[in-house]
Amino acid sequence: EVQLVESGGGLVQPGGSLRLSCAASGFRFSDHFMDWVRQAPGKGLEWLGRIRDEAHRYTTEYAASVKDRFIISRDDSKNSLYLHMSSLKTEDTAVYYCARDRIVGGAFFESWGQGTLVTVSS
Amino acid sequence: AIQLTQSPSSLSASVGDRVTVTCRASQGIDNNLAWYQQKPGEAPKLLIYDASTLETGVPSRFSGSGSGTDFTLTVSSLQPEDFATYYCQQFKEYPLSLGGGTKVEIK
Repeated sequence: EVQLVESGGGLVQPGGSLRLSCAASGFRFSDHFMDWVRQAPGKGLEWLGRIRDEAHRYTTEYAASVKDRFIISRDDSKNSLYLHMSSLKTEDTAVYYCARDRIVGGAFFESWGQGTLVTVSS
Repeated sequence: AIQLTQSPSSLSASVGDRVTVTCRASQGIDNNLAWYQQKPGEAPKLLIYDASTLETGVPSRFSGSGSGTDFTLTVSSLQPEDFATYYCQQFKEYPLSLGGGTKVEIK
């Protein structure tokens, strides 16, 4: 069974940093591109970025809203995905989801974690 | 960046109703569109990709159509478990983007 479990959320002050993790199991993690998507309270979904696999040199793409502040990385040996967030703003308050892309096909999200809540507040 | 506009933003319907949600892209995206369902407190779930391909395990009452800039998600006979929020997402180009969502509520 595919499982994605996010962790690392919590309360952080504006301007602070936080690292989220996503532990993957039940599938060959190294074969998949992976994404981060967030959802502010009561709002819609916002794609943040993706990281490709080793065959594609772990290259990344980012949304303009987080480019230069957020960095996506992965450790295939630990079946883990990470989101390094810095210079956090109150508007970054959201539930953060990791999601798995299908190996063959387009950049859509076939599996999702349950999410971890990040609250940016003083 | 490609903008996706969903309509309506919310609707009320009864069990057994046929429901249609529309997603319009700001530029042509061929058939590079997916639909998701999200229930309160849960993660989204993939329903349809490539505009009209049903994800494995998704009931056949769900269907998708469209190409280019205009897309629809149809539920042929709404069931109690279908009351949720639905999102479209384009994967034609980066940055990937999602629509604002359509909340389907019980009438």
